[in-house]
Amino acid sequence: QKEVEQDPGPLSVPEGAIVSLNCTYSNSAFQYFMWYRQYSRKGPELLMYTYSSGNKEDGRFTAQVDKSSKYISLFIRDSQPSDSATYLCAMSVTGANSKLTFGKGITLSVRP
Amino acid sequence: DAGVIQSPRHEVTEMGQEVTLRCKPISGHDYLFWYRQTMMRGLELLIYFNNNVPIDDSGMPEDRFSAKMPNASFSTLKIQPSEPRDSAVYFCASNSWGRSYGSYTFGSGTRLTVV
Repeated sequence: QKEVEQDPGPLSVPEGAIVSLNCTYSNSAFQYFMWYRQYSRKGPELLMYTYSSGNKEDGRFTAQVDKSSKYISLFIRDSQPSDSATYLCAMSVTGANSKLTFGKGITLSVRP
Repeated sequence: DAGVIQSPRHEVTEMGQEVTLRCKPISGHDYLFWYRQTMMRGLELLIYFNNNVPIDDSGMPEDRFSAKMPNASFSTLKIQPSEPRDSAVYFCASNSWGRSYGSYTFGSGTRLTVV
């Protein structure tokens, strides 16, 4: 079992839809949880991060972490064609070891 | 800030040749990471440095891969000899791990094709 599993894609939704992206993980030591967005032929860029369990909202984006279930989610409200990209979840253990472990990513397409 | 700069953007080489990928991290960042991305395996961490010192190279697939960071502003990833299965996009990323968290800044990647 990989440390981080992400729902396979691709995912295609109409403009304005609510999108739910999910990841599960096996390492209970993970404390930092992040979502990266990657446009075609570009490097990933940080979209949101959360520390430990809870919710965090930023505009149309909401990140949720449920450490008891080892499950994280990213919700996109009122999705736009500009949201079309690959979304990768990433996680890290606290302390001196700052390496991130990524999910494989899911490609989202928002149809106008 | 110009961000993380990688070169070349594209590299096509023949099997058996040596390939050198280059990375300039963001000034002031004390961590540097090399990742490889493929459709099958996603983003895989190859090696990372802290203050120019290699910390974890457990992701380096085999002895054909080596990485160096001679100073805070430059790193190389070398593959010798290259093989077709090394074809992938190689990303360099840097960050500064503060008291709470750090976020990676990725370069635009080097797309390597070994024929």
